[in-house]
Amino acid sequence: AQRVTQPEKLLSVFKGAPVELKCNYSYSGSPELFWYVQYSRQRLQLLLRHISRESIKGFTADLNKGETSFHLKKPFAQEEDSAMYYCALKAGGTSYGKLTFGQGTILTVHP
Amino acid sequence: DAMVIQNPRYQVTQFGKPVTLSCSQTLNHNVMYWYQQKSSQAPKLLFHYYDKDFNNEADTPDNFQSRRPNTSFCFLDIRSPGLGDAAMYLCATADSVTHEQYFGPGTRLTVT
Repeated sequence: AQRVTQPEKLLSVFKGAPVELKCNYSYSGSPELFWYVQYSRQRLQLLLRHISRESIKGFTADLNKGETSFHLKKPFAQEEDSAMYYCALKAGGTSYGKLTFGQGTILTVHP
Repeated sequence: DAMVIQNPRYQVTQFGKPVTLSCSQTLNHNVMYWYQQKSSQAPKLLFHYYDKDFNNEADTPDNFQSRRPNTSFCFLDIRSPGLGDAAMYLCATADSVTHEQYFGPGTRLTVT
């Protein structure tokens, strides 16, 4: 069975500081990893996926299979980054895109 | 705009009184999902449809049922809601190629 762990329920940083949201996973096969974000009063939306290897809103995430991690990073946090962030895993080989979510991290960026 | 719509946004029902939550999409996606999200917890998949093919998660209670009469609509039926079923219910869609999931705004269910 797959599992996603986000060890920090709450994370606070000041504007302009680097931020890293941790995500570790457990899965025996080859996973796809995602970060979803939910801003206040908005719907859950995809932020980025590891296979795209892209930077969205200044965020990047690298899949480290050796450490089974997919940490989300941004070098200079902005106030508008304050939101709930979920790491999610899709088991490889399934065609339906079923996701297993972590518990989420609430990021607060102070001015 | 193409999107995922959930109605109602807030639903109050009584203990044991059947309730139906609705989801519609204009994205023409093959796959539709229902998640349950309790306070301060991760979304938990209840079931999903690939076209008309229904897939129930092993730990989804029998009290929860779903219907998908066509590509655009999907319903979540809770036959006899208990106090423990109070939660946010999220509908999501995905196409069968990218698997990127698009979420609706959710329906917050209160059971009195």
